[in-house]
Amino acid sequence: DIQMTQSPSAMSASVGDTVTITCRASQGISNYLAWFQQKPGKVPKRLIYASSSLQSGVPSRFSGSGSGTEFTLIISSLQPEDFATYYCLQHNSHPFTFGQGTKLEIK
Amino acid sequence: EVQLLESGGGLVQPGGSLRLSCAASGLTFSITGMSWVRQAPGKGLELVSTIDGSGGTTYSGDSVKGRFTISRDNSKNTLYLQMNSLRGEDTAVYYCAKAGLDYWGQGTLVTVSS
Repeated sequence: DIQMTQSPSAMSASVGDTVTITCRASQGISNYLAWFQQKPGKVPKRLIYASSSLQSGVPSRFSGSGSGTEFTLIISSLQPEDFATYYCLQHNSHPFTFGQGTKLEIK
Repeated sequence: EVQLLESGGGLVQPGGSLRLSCAASGLTFSITGMSWVRQAPGKGLELVSTIDGSGGTTYSGDSVKGRFTISRDNSKNTLYLQMNSLRGEDTAVYYCAKAGLDYWGQGTLVTVSS
């Protein structure tokens, strides 16, 4: 199975900051990588698919990049509603696997 | 608008069985792959099982293989998850989701406890 390692597991930042979350795959997954946001008690929401494609309706301050084994999610100019937990998901090969999550908290 | 509505969750004893359902609308169900994703309390996301549009190809994670079965009835636009030999570690909110995980249901809670 492909292991997805996210870093950091938790971080704090301030409104207006730019943050970077990294996801590393244990083997190459091309660009079959998606990013999700989940707020407490809510359903996960897909932000990015195919590593860098922005889901319709998602603000442009979210961006994704990477290919192979290294991927990043960048959130520019953090807004209060962005404080949440973020997950990456590889869907290159079954079983599809999520990263362990990155909890983004307000500083 | 795509809508996914899960049902069938509840409290079950260890070793017991439960069948979850997910009623889908707003999509061409018979050609759409579907998945079940779960989240244990305070934990991360785990993709449990996936099925293709025809129902002919399925995948399940190692943690549920041999115990859980994903299936679908395209005449009813409904996805199922048959869960047998349930364990405490299966306690979670179970979500159904469209292939690509761009649409999710609201989830149904399964609690395995005596």
